[in-house]
Amino acid sequence: QKEVEQNSGPLSVPEGAIASLNCTYSDRGSQSFFWYRQYSGKSPELIMFIYSNGDKEDGRFTAQLNKASQYVSLLIRDSQPSDSATYLCAVRSNDYKLSFGAGTTVTVRA
Amino acid sequence: DGGITQSPKYLFRKEGQNVTLSCEQNLNHDAMYWYRQDPGQGLRLIYYSQIVNDFQKGDIAEGYSVSREKKESFPLTVTSAQKNPTAFYLCASSIGVSGGYTFGSGTRLTVV
Repeated sequence: QKEVEQNSGPLSVPEGAIASLNCTYSDRGSQSFFWYRQYSGKSPELIMFIYSNGDKEDGRFTAQLNKASQYVSLLIRDSQPSDSATYLCAVRSNDYKLSFGAGTTVTVRA
Repeated sequence: DGGITQSPKYLFRKEGQNVTLSCEQNLNHDAMYWYRQDPGQGLRLIYYSQIVNDFQKGDIAEGYSVSREKKESFPLTVTSAQKNPTAFYLCASSIGVSGGYTFGSGTRLTVV
């Protein structure tokens, strides 16, 4: 069983719509959760992190965490063509290493 | 500006050759990491280092070696023992045990 699982996509949404990305993890002791955006051929960049159950909002991005269900999600509101990228979910367990999912590719249609 | 510098951006390796990828950071981060990314796959951890003169193997360390003689530098050597080295290599650092990673711009290695 993979430690961090994401739907690979592609997820295609029209411009202005909400994109919803999901991530599940296997280690119940995981402490912190991160979302990275990676454009094709580029390195990942951190866009959101969340440590506590509930929602965390930053601009058009909202991260949601449910530790009981071992589930973390990312919502992108008012999606723009510039949001077209691969989104990586990363989870930190009791050690400080991050485990990454394979990523969900998002395409925003103009 | 603070950041992580990886070089070269592109690297070509002949069969049987060792090559070294450079990673330098001026963020004063204690921990540094090397990941490998293959198409359609997530990042896989090769080696990591918490402090100077100390490093540990990650999930796919075979065929790779590292050193951490300075806090700022964490070079990765891809040896001839690594049979499938063609990939995108990413170096990252973190300030401690709770923060996210900052990534370098990556090195794309190709075997010719």
